[in-house]
Amino acid sequence: KNQVEQSPQSLIILEGKNCTLQCNYTVSPFSNLRWYKQDTGRGPVSLTIMTFSENTKSNGRYTATLDADTKQSSLHITASQLSDSASYICVVSDRGSTLGRLYFGRGTQLTVWP
Amino acid sequence: EADIYQTPRYLVIGTGKKITLECSQTMGHDKMYWYQQDPGMELHLIHYSYGVNSTEKGDLSSESTVSRIRTEHFPLTLESARPSHTSQYLCASSETGSTDTQYFGPGTRLTVL
Repeated sequence: KNQVEQSPQSLIILEGKNCTLQCNYTVSPFSNLRWYKQDTGRGPVSLTIMTFSENTKSNGRYTATLDADTKQSSLHITASQLSDSASYICVVSDRGSTLGRLYFGRGTQLTVWP
Repeated sequence: EADIYQTPRYLVIGTGKKITLECSQTMGHDKMYWYQQDPGMELHLIHYSYGVNSTEKGDLSSESTVSRIRTEHFPLTLESARPSHTSQYLCASSETGSTDTQYFGPGTRLTVL
């Protein structure tokens, strides 16, 4: 069964600190992995996307890693800001169908305190 | 920010009412999607479209229906709303390509009393 599991479910950190969010998946065949940021009451916004051959991808203070062998990904946030408070969703795409089906994790709810 | 819009943003209605959730995108994307998301849960695909006059049901069974008469417009209709339909509905679109990145609208929070 294709699944995407994220941990932790929720996380509270102080402003300026770093944090790392985890994503494990069993989706096969694998096409790509995305991290989305979803602010409360808004739609998800893409942060990074990685294909099978990519190990790391950065977008400002966000750095995603991918280990396709162990089917694990992480999202590292550096020098957190209050605006980083959001749900971070790991999304894995397969290529088993023309649609390129997406499998969504439940997200990690990050809260940054001043 | 993606040019994809949803209206209304919030809707509170009584049981049995017919409702239509609007979704429009100005990016010329051929693929469009509707997702349902409950608090703390993952997004579930309920409908998608490859293009005009193309609609398909997604992974999650839904009593809603969709239409795609124009490329930019993908409305979702509930003929008779029930409390079990209370949820957040997210519309997305993507352009066929190597990554198929989906761009999401802000969502409609539906509450059926």
